[in-house]
Amino acid sequence: DAKTTQPPSMDCAEGRAANLPCNHSTISGNEYVYWYRQIHSQGPQYIIHGLKNNETNEMASLIITEDRKSSTLILPHATLRDTAVYYCICPYSGAGSYQLTFGKGTKLSVIP
Amino acid sequence: DSGVTQTPKHLITATGQRVTLRCSPRSGDLSVYWYQQSLDQGLQFLIQYYNGEERAKGNILERFSAQQFPDLHSELNLSSLELGDSALYFCASSVGGGYYGYTFGSGTRLTVV
Repeated sequence: DAKTTQPPSMDCAEGRAANLPCNHSTISGNEYVYWYRQIHSQGPQYIIHGLKNNETNEMASLIITEDRKSSTLILPHATLRDTAVYYCICPYSGAGSYQLTFGKGTKLSVIP
Repeated sequence: DSGVTQTPKHLITATGQRVTLRCSPRSGDLSVYWYQQSLDQGLQFLIQYYNGEERAKGNILERFSAQQFPDLHSELNLSSLELGDSALYFCASSVGGGYYGYTFGSGTRLTVV
């Protein structure tokens, strides 16, 4: 797995965009960037993933830099329910299996 | 409801005992993963099964074992329990190897006293 670095915590005002950064400078050419989140003691939840193009789904947008050394997860209009720990993961993908190794993530607090 | 069912939700047992945690994957998913989350260690990957066969092993203790049955449900067996085994145990499932993401269950909270 490529090592990822995330800030330990961030705050965001409710209704504003939350931009969560992740550095993955050792990522290899075929490694994807995945984002998951864990709301207090619940099972982690898949958010989005990408290789080199920007991606968007109903939950979030993922912006990957051209050199692929970093990415940003964007929650366009954060709500209190988005308060969670967000994990950026570049899983090892041998034999078609994407094995997730969770780091410490970023604790996002959405403030009213 | 994620579609991944874990039972029981809570379990309290004594040191030295053996317990079995059960996981039913989301319909159609062939892979099952087990993770342990304790306060000081974060989410640790234990083991993965794909269609009944062990596919990958992580930091799983020798006292722990798992299997995936023909109906694709999985069981994690924890024996000779120690206080330090107290944790949340999560099961996840995926179609194939997880390219489209894992779906996690709500976990089993194990307390060893």
